Amino acid sequence: KQEVTQIPAALSVPEGENLVLNCSFTDSAIYNLQWFRQDPGKGLTSLLLIQSSQREQTSGRLNASLDKSSGRSTLYIAASQPGDSATYLCAVRSYNTDKLIFGTGTRLQVFP
Amino acid sequence: DGGITQSPKYLFRKEGQNVTLSCEQNLNHDAMYWYRQDPGQGLRLIYYSQIVNDFQKGDIAEGYSVSREKKESFPLTVTSAQKNPTAFYLCASSLEGDTEAFFGQGTRLTVV
Repeated sequence: KQEVTQIPAALSVPEGENLVLNCSFTDSAIYNLQWFRQDPGKGLTSLLLIQSSQREQTSGRLNASLDKSSGRSTLYIAASQPGDSATYLCAVRSYNTDKLIFGTGTRLQVFP
Repeated sequence: DGGITQSPKYLFRKEGQNVTLSCEQNLNHDAMYWYRQDPGQGLRLIYYSQIVNDFQKGDIAEGYSVSREKKESFPLTVTSAQKNPTAFYLCASSLEGDTEAFFGQGTRLTVV
């Protein structure tokens, strides 16, 4: 059974820092991995989708990498800003299932 | 604008009542999903549908029912059999089962 873990559960950093959020999964047989952002009381916003054949994806100050063989993905946020404060969730879609399996998220606070 | 619309944003239910949460998408996506989110827990899949007139149970389907009579609509009914329905409910869709998923803004259900 696929399990997804995100570390750390919470992170507080000063503005301007570069930071890394981690996501690990137990079954490497995946179609893709997706990173989301969730603001309090809101739905999820898709940030990046990495297909299983890809090693990384970039969007603006965000870069996500995927190492399928080791069951790991990282989300790198460059030059963090207070507006980046949110919960970040990763989710994997395994072979032979249409389920997106989610981690419990990393709650990020960026203070001025 | 294309997207996923959930309504209502807030819903209050009395003990023993059935309530229906609406989810509509105009993205022409085939696959639609319902997730439940509780504090401190990851998103858990309730039901999903890959095509009109077909749907499958997710991990926590007991006490819930769905229908998929139209491609753009996937309503969720929370029945009186659901013992602890107070939660944040999120609807999602994707073009196919293994492509990028997009989420609505959620419905917060409270039992009073």
